[in-house]
Amino acid sequence: DIQMTQSPSTLSASVGDTVTFTCRASESITNSLAWYQQKPGKAPKLLIYKASSLETGVPSRFSGSKAGAEFTLTISSLQPDDFASYYCQQYQSFPWTFGEGTKVEI
Amino acid sequence: QLVESGGDLVQPGGSLRLSCAASGFTFNFYEMNWVRQAPGKGLEWVSYISSDGNNVYHADSVRGRFTISRDNAKNSLFLQLNSLRVEDSGVYYCVREGELTPHDAFDIWGQGTVVTVSS
Repeated sequence: DIQMTQSPSTLSASVGDTVTFTCRASESITNSLAWYQQKPGKAPKLLIYKASSLETGVPSRFSGSKAGAEFTLTISSLQPDDFASYYCQQYQSFPWTFGEGTKVEI
Repeated sequence: QLVESGGDLVQPGGSLRLSCAASGFTFNFYEMNWVRQAPGKGLEWVSYISSDGNNVYHADSVRGRFTISRDNAKNSLFLQLNSLRVEDSGVYYCVREGELTPHDAFDIWGQGTVVTVSS
């Protein structure tokens, strides 16, 4: 199985900050990586697909990138609505696997 | 839109059948999945089914106990849960894969249905 290692597990930030978190795959997943945002008691929401493509309707302050086996989600100018948990997921090969998540706290 | 139902409190060893009603898109075009989340934990993929229902995959943790199926005529997805364990407790989400091939990210999620396995 492909292991997805996400870091950090918790990130403290303030409104207006630029934050970055990473996800590393245990083997090649080409660009088959997605990022999701989840707020307490709600279903996850797709933010980024194919490593760097922004899902329709998602604010442009969210961006994704890839450098080798490491994938990055960046939120520029953090807004109050962005305090949530974020998960990466690979869909290169079964079983689909998620990272452990990063919680963005004030 | 995806709307799940069927979650309940069940004893260990019991069974449940989860349903997911799809609307607003051409259901038989899309591959579907179930994803679950234990209380306070992260996301875990559970099962996949191809658009025509001919190909299915299950996570090792549920293989042999859970069965995914679909009825394209009724725009519905199902998950049969047998031999339930305490560790199967959580919110179960019905999820649509996007249109990219061969596979795509999960672009539509249901609101989830709660399964609690406890004596």
